[in-house]
Amino acid sequence: EDQVTQSPEALRLQEGESSSLNCSYTVSGLRGLFWYRQDPGKGPEFLFTLYSAGEEKEKERLKATLTKKESFLHITAPKPEDSATYLCAVGRQGGSEKLVFGKGTKLTVNP
Amino acid sequence: DSGVTQTPKHLITATGQRVTLRCSPRSGDLSVYWYQQSLDQGLQFLIQYYNGEERAKGNILERFSAQQFPDLHSELNLSSLELGDSALYFCASSVEPGTQQFFGPGTRLTVL
Repeated sequence: EDQVTQSPEALRLQEGESSSLNCSYTVSGLRGLFWYRQDPGKGPEFLFTLYSAGEEKEKERLKATLTKKESFLHITAPKPEDSATYLCAVGRQGGSEKLVFGKGTKLTVNP
Repeated sequence: DSGVTQTPKHLITATGQRVTLRCSPRSGDLSVYWYQQSLDQGLQFLIQYYNGEERAKGNILERFSAQQFPDLHSELNLSSLELGDSALYFCASSVEPGTQQFFGPGTRLTVL
């Protein structure tokens, strides 16, 4: 069964304090790994798709990387507006197109 | 704004009742997905439609059903509601199955 585990569950940072979020996954044939940002009471907002080990994607202060077993979301010099829950999801090759989500990391950036 | 719309935004109803949630996908997207999000379970896949036909099913209860219409909008029907059905229900769409999914703002269902 496909599984996604995110750590830590919650992370508090000071503004400007860089850190990384982890997403460990088990899937039989990775079709893609997806990162989303979710604000309270809102729908997940798409950030990145990674397809193969070694791939990296960047957007503003966020950088996502992928290995064969995990993905990292690096946040450089975060700002308070980066506070949100970050969700990781995987899709499997050859099967249903559903995404299997982790439970997320709740990031709080204090000014 | 993802381009996916959902109505209503909030729904409060009683146990035993039936409700219908509506979703309009992004223009051009043929795949629609429904997810349930509760505090303890996270986002759980319910069902997927592609161009009007059911494509995949997750842990969807028999009391729940869905359909996708010729204009590609989708409806999720929840019946014989229980307290545990209270959750956020999200619809997502993608241009092709397997590509990134774009989520709507959700419907918050409260069953009293």
